[in-house]
Amino acid sequence: ETGVTQSPTHLIKTRGQQVTLRCSSQSGHNTVSWYQQALGQGPQFIFQYYREEENGRGNFPPRFSGLQFPNYSSELNVNALELDDSALYLCASSTLAGVNSYNEQFFGPGTRLTVL
Amino acid sequence: KQEVTQIPAALSVPEGENLVLNCSFTDSAIYNLQWFRQDPGKGLTSLLLIQSSQREQTSGRLNASLDKSSGRSTLYIAASQPGDSATYLCAVEGYSTLTFGKGTMLLVSP
Repeated sequence: ETGVTQSPTHLIKTRGQQVTLRCSSQSGHNTVSWYQQALGQGPQFIFQYYREEENGRGNFPPRFSGLQFPNYSSELNVNALELDDSALYLCASSTLAGVNSYNEQFFGPGTRLTVL
Repeated sequence: KQEVTQIPAALSVPEGENLVLNCSFTDSAIYNLQWFRQDPGKGLTSLLLIQSSQREQTSGRLNASLDKSSGRSTLYIAASQPGDSATYLCAVEGYSTLTFGKGTMLLVSP
């Protein structure tokens, strides 16, 4: 069974640029969530995708957008990068356990984004 | 809005000690609670998941309890080892999201 993978591992961008981060879900999982973790903080929920549709969104501006593909892999896109976007970006995959509830979430190793 | 608080923020203990990490949350309408471990600069490793209808879960030297009505959970680590050194995060599941605390940074010295 393959775990959750993310690419790239590290990324350096400058203010105003755009970035795409990628995530491959664990085998058999149909839900992917993205989180932003600033240094010294807990992860903050960005959004979740279930079967290619957005299924919830945290308090992040529209320049944070995502996609989920038929194979349940996912992308996080961030436009017009700001210095405060520097963080560890984590994705997690899971399966639906019941109405609005999910089984255990499994996290990838993260992508460290630095915005200069 | 759900808020999760973890106490203490940091903890340093000698090897062999039993210890308790605390987590509290403001909204008791949760589906489940999960404890994670995070090594520096790394992703999250799930340790234990407690469904909202359950009171506790155990895995090896780890035991987690949940009191949903009072909005509290504890993670008990028995006979701590230097390899347990990491940040421990508590997260509660609401509608389609996990809300995390800031974590407890644990250092176990030999």
